[in-house]
Amino acid sequence: QKEVEQNSGPLSVPEGAIASLNCTYSDRGSQSFFWYRQYSGKSPELIMSIYSNGDKEDGRFTAQLNKASQYVSLLIRDSQPSDSATYLCAVNIRGKTSYDKVIFGPGTSLSVIP
Amino acid sequence: DADVTQTPRNRITKTGKRIMLECSQTKGHDRMYWYRQDPGLGLRLIYYSFDVKDINKGEISDGYSVSRQAQAKFSLSLESAIPNQTALYFCATSDPARGREVSYNEQFFGPGTRLTVL
Repeated sequence: QKEVEQNSGPLSVPEGAIASLNCTYSDRGSQSFFWYRQYSGKSPELIMSIYSNGDKEDGRFTAQLNKASQYVSLLIRDSQPSDSATYLCAVNIRGKTSYDKVIFGPGTSLSVIP
Repeated sequence: DADVTQTPRNRITKTGKRIMLECSQTKGHDRMYWYRQDPGLGLRLIYYSFDVKDINKGEISDGYSVSRQAQAKFSLSLESAIPNQTALYFCATSDPARGREVSYNEQFFGPGTRLTVL
Protein backbone atom coordinates (compact mmCIF):
# COMPACT_ATOMS: atom_id res chain seq x y z
CA GLN A 1 0.00 0.00 0.00
CA LYS A 2 1.34 3.39 -0.97
CA GLU A 3 1.77 5.85 1.87
CA VAL A 4 -0.37 8.60 0.36
CA GLU A 5 -2.93 7.82 -2.32
CA GLN A 6 -5.02 10.06 -4.54
CA ASN A 7 -7.16 9.48 -7.59
CA SER A 8 -5.07 10.64 -10.52
CA GLY A 9 -8.06 12.01 -12.40
CA PRO A 10 -8.58 13.93 -14.48
CA LEU A 11 -11.51 15.26 -12.51
CA SER A 12 -13.71 17.52 -14.59
CA VAL A 13 -16.29 19.87 -13.08
CA PRO A 14 -18.33 22.70 -14.62
CA GLU A 15 -17.58 26.26 -13.64
CA GLY A 16 -19.39 27.20 -10.44
CA ALA A 17 -19.66 23.63 -9.17
CA ILE A 18 -18.00 22.08 -6.12
CA ALA A 19 -14.83 20.10 -6.79
CA SER A 20 -14.07 17.34 -4.30
CA LEU A 21 -10.56 15.95 -4.05
CA ASN A 22 -9.76 12.96 -1.87
CA CYS A 23 -6.65 11.55 -0.24
CA THR A 24 -5.97 8.55 1.98
CA TYR A 25 -2.84 7.82 3.97
CA SER A 26 -1.44 4.72 5.61
CA ASP A 27 0.50 5.90 8.68
CA ARG A 28 -1.67 6.42 11.76
CA GLY A 29 1.14 8.51 13.29
CA SER A 30 0.54 11.25 10.74
CA GLN A 31 0.00 14.61 12.37
CA SER A 32 -0.13 17.32 9.74
CA PHE A 33 -1.82 17.34 6.36
CA PHE A 34 -1.38 19.70 3.46
CA TRP A 35 -2.89 20.49 0.10
CA TYR A 36 -0.73 21.97 -2.63
CA ARG A 37 -1.83 23.33 -5.98
CA GLN A 38 0.51 22.92 -8.93
CA TYR A 39 -0.02 24.50 -12.32
CA SER A 40 1.62 22.79 -15.26
CA GLY A 41 5.36 23.46 -15.30
CA LYS A 42 5.21 25.46 -12.08
CA SER A 43 6.14 24.69 -8.48
CA PRO A 44 3.70 23.38 -5.86
CA GLU A 45 2.01 26.11 -3.87
CA LEU A 46 0.68 25.46 -0.36
CA ILE A 47 -3.03 26.29 -0.19
CA MET A 48 -4.29 24.54 2.95
CA SER A 49 -2.92 22.94 6.11
CA ILE A 50 -4.98 20.97 8.61
CA TYR A 51 -3.99 19.33 11.87
CA SER A 52 -7.20 18.47 13.74
CA ASN A 53 -10.20 16.35 12.87
CA GLY A 54 -13.01 18.26 11.24
CA ASP A 55 -13.27 21.02 8.71
CA LYS A 56 -11.06 24.03 8.06
CA GLU A 57 -12.29 26.73 5.73
CA ASP A 58 -10.29 29.37 3.87
CA GLY A 59 -12.19 31.33 1.28
CA ARG A 60 -13.51 28.93 -1.34
CA PHE A 61 -11.41 26.07 0.01
CA THR A 62 -12.40 23.65 2.76
CA ALA A 63 -10.11 20.92 4.03
CA GLN A 64 -11.65 17.99 5.88
CA LEU A 65 -9.72 15.56 8.07
CA ASN A 66 -10.83 12.25 9.53
CA LYS A 67 -7.93 10.59 11.31
CA ALA A 68 -9.94 7.51 12.28
CA SER A 69 -10.59 6.80 8.61
CA GLN A 70 -7.15 8.10 7.57
CA TYR A 71 -8.80 10.36 5.09
CA VAL A 72 -8.31 13.98 4.10
CA SER A 73 -10.21 15.88 1.45
CA LEU A 74 -10.27 19.27 -0.22
CA LEU A 75 -13.47 20.94 -1.39
CA ILE A 76 -13.35 23.86 -3.81
CA ARG A 77 -16.59 25.79 -3.95
CA ASP A 78 -17.63 27.92 -6.92
CA SER A 79 -14.91 26.35 -9.04
CA GLN A 80 -13.26 28.65 -11.56
CA PRO A 81 -11.27 27.84 -14.70
CA SER A 82 -8.24 29.25 -12.87
CA ASP A 83 -8.57 26.37 -10.39
CA SER A 84 -7.59 23.95 -13.16
CA ALA A 85 -4.36 22.42 -11.87
CA THR A 86 -2.94 19.34 -10.20
CA TYR A 87 -3.64 19.11 -6.47
CA LEU A 88 -1.09 17.34 -4.31
CA CYS A 89 -1.95 15.87 -0.94
CA ALA A 90 0.97 15.75 1.51
CA VAL A 91 1.21 14.14 4.93
CA ASN A 92 3.75 14.88 7.67
CA ILE A 93 4.73 11.88 9.74
CA ARG A 94 6.40 12.77 13.02
CA GLY A 95 9.40 10.52 13.65
CA LYS A 96 10.80 9.39 16.95
CA THR A 97 13.88 11.54 16.45
CA SER A 98 14.08 15.01 14.98
CA TYR A 99 13.10 13.86 11.53
CA ASP A 100 9.62 14.71 10.35
CA LYS A 101 8.95 13.07 7.02
CA VAL A 102 6.64 14.66 4.47
CA ILE A 103 5.16 12.26 1.95
CA PHE A 104 3.47 13.57 -1.19
CA GLY A 105 0.70 11.87 -3.06
CA PRO A 106 0.81 11.54 -6.85
CA GLY A 107 -1.69 14.36 -7.35
CA THR A 108 -5.16 14.71 -8.84
CA SER A 109 -5.60 16.67 -12.03
CA LEU A 110 -8.61 19.02 -11.91
CA SER A 111 -10.16 20.60 -14.95
CA VAL A 112 -12.86 23.26 -14.54
CA ILE A 113 -14.91 23.59 -17.68
CA PRO A 114 -16.26 27.10 -18.52
CA ASP B 1 11.60 39.04 -4.05
CA ALA B 2 10.97 35.30 -4.02
CA ASP B 3 11.67 33.53 -0.75
CA VAL B 4 13.19 30.47 -2.46
CA THR B 5 15.16 30.92 -5.66
CA GLN B 6 16.72 28.41 -8.00
CA THR B 7 19.31 28.80 -10.72
CA PRO B 8 19.35 28.05 -13.55
CA ARG B 9 15.67 27.87 -14.44
CA ASN B 10 16.32 25.83 -17.56
CA ARG B 11 19.34 23.82 -18.60
CA ILE B 12 20.10 21.59 -21.54
CA THR B 13 23.23 19.50 -21.27
CA LYS B 14 24.84 16.43 -22.72
CA THR B 15 25.39 12.98 -21.30
CA GLY B 16 28.46 12.81 -19.08
CA LYS B 17 28.58 16.49 -18.19
CA ARG B 18 28.71 17.69 -14.59
CA ILE B 19 25.81 19.93 -13.66
CA MET B 20 25.15 22.01 -10.55
CA LEU B 21 21.75 23.34 -9.57
CA GLU B 22 21.67 26.03 -6.92
CA CYS B 23 19.07 27.00 -4.36
CA SER B 24 18.95 30.02 -2.08
CA GLN B 25 16.36 30.99 0.50
CA THR B 26 15.56 34.05 2.59
CA LYS B 27 12.93 32.37 4.77
CA GLY B 28 15.41 31.61 7.54
CA HIS B 29 14.46 27.94 7.53
CA ASP B 30 16.95 25.35 8.68
CA ARG B 31 15.62 22.50 6.57
CA MET B 32 16.17 22.31 2.85
CA TYR B 33 15.25 19.64 0.31
CA TRP B 34 15.84 18.63 -3.28
CA TYR B 35 13.07 16.86 -5.21
CA ARG B 36 12.66 15.73 -8.75
CA GLN B 37 9.34 15.44 -10.51
CA ASP B 38 8.62 13.22 -13.45
CA PRO B 39 5.27 12.84 -15.22
CA GLY B 40 3.20 10.18 -13.46
CA LEU B 41 5.74 9.67 -10.66
CA GLY B 42 5.04 12.64 -8.46
CA LEU B 43 7.62 14.34 -6.26
CA ARG B 44 10.54 12.18 -5.21
CA LEU B 45 13.02 13.23 -2.54
CA ILE B 46 16.69 13.24 -3.58
CA TYR B 47 18.46 14.74 -0.56
CA TYR B 48 17.52 16.73 2.50
CA SER B 49 19.45 18.79 5.03
CA PHE B 50 18.43 19.77 8.54
CA ASP B 51 21.32 22.19 8.97
CA VAL B 52 24.75 22.88 7.51
CA LYS B 53 26.27 19.80 9.14
CA ASP B 54 23.36 17.41 8.66
CA ILE B 55 22.79 16.03 5.16
CA ASN B 56 20.79 12.92 4.39
CA LYS B 57 19.95 10.80 1.39
CA GLY B 58 16.40 10.63 0.18
CA GLU B 59 14.72 7.85 -1.80
CA ILE B 60 16.57 8.44 -5.09
CA SER B 61 20.04 9.80 -4.26
CA ASP B 62 22.09 7.63 -6.65
CA GLY B 63 23.83 9.78 -9.26
CA TYR B 64 23.42 12.96 -7.22
CA SER B 65 25.39 14.80 -4.56
CA VAL B 66 24.67 17.91 -2.52
CA SER B 67 26.44 20.67 -0.67
CA ARG B 68 25.01 22.88 2.08
CA GLN B 69 27.25 25.92 1.89
CA ALA B 70 25.29 27.97 4.42
CA GLN B 71 21.91 27.95 6.10
CA ALA B 72 20.52 29.74 3.07
CA LYS B 73 22.21 27.77 0.28
CA PHE B 74 21.81 24.17 -0.84
CA SER B 75 23.27 22.92 -4.13
CA LEU B 76 22.55 19.74 -6.07
CA SER B 77 25.14 18.23 -8.39
CA LEU B 78 24.83 15.63 -11.10
CA GLU B 79 28.37 14.30 -11.36
CA SER B 80 27.89 12.69 -14.77
CA ALA B 81 24.49 13.48 -16.22
CA ILE B 82 22.49 10.78 -17.98
CA PRO B 83 19.29 11.10 -20.04
CA ASN B 84 17.03 9.53 -17.39
CA GLN B 85 17.91 12.45 -15.11
CA THR B 86 15.87 14.66 -17.41
CA ALA B 87 13.21 16.06 -15.07
CA LEU B 88 11.88 19.07 -13.24
CA TYR B 89 13.92 19.72 -10.09
CA PHE B 90 12.58 21.57 -7.07
CA CYS B 91 14.26 22.95 -3.99
CA ALA B 92 12.12 23.35 -0.89
CA THR B 93 12.48 24.64 2.66
CA SER B 94 10.60 24.00 5.86
CA ASP B 95 10.50 24.99 9.49
CA PRO B 96 8.95 22.15 11.49
CA ALA B 97 8.69 24.30 14.62
CA ARG B 98 9.16 21.41 17.01
CA GLY B 99 8.14 22.14 20.54
CA ARG B 100 4.60 22.74 19.45
CA GLU B 101 2.10 20.01 20.09
CA VAL B 102 1.89 19.34 16.40
CA SER B 103 4.78 19.57 13.98
CA TYR B 104 3.72 21.62 11.03
CA ASN B 105 6.59 21.20 8.59
CA GLU B 106 4.90 22.93 5.67
CA GLN B 107 7.24 22.93 2.71
CA PHE B 108 7.83 25.95 0.51
CA PHE B 109 9.08 25.39 -3.00
CA GLY B 110 11.34 27.27 -5.34
CA PRO B 111 10.29 27.89 -8.96
CA GLY B 112 12.04 24.79 -10.26
CA THR B 113 14.76 23.96 -12.76
CA ARG B 114 13.88 22.15 -15.95
CA LEU B 115 16.85 19.95 -16.82
CA THR B 116 17.23 18.14 -20.12
CA VAL B 117 20.06 15.67 -20.63
CA LEU B 118 20.66 14.75 -24.26
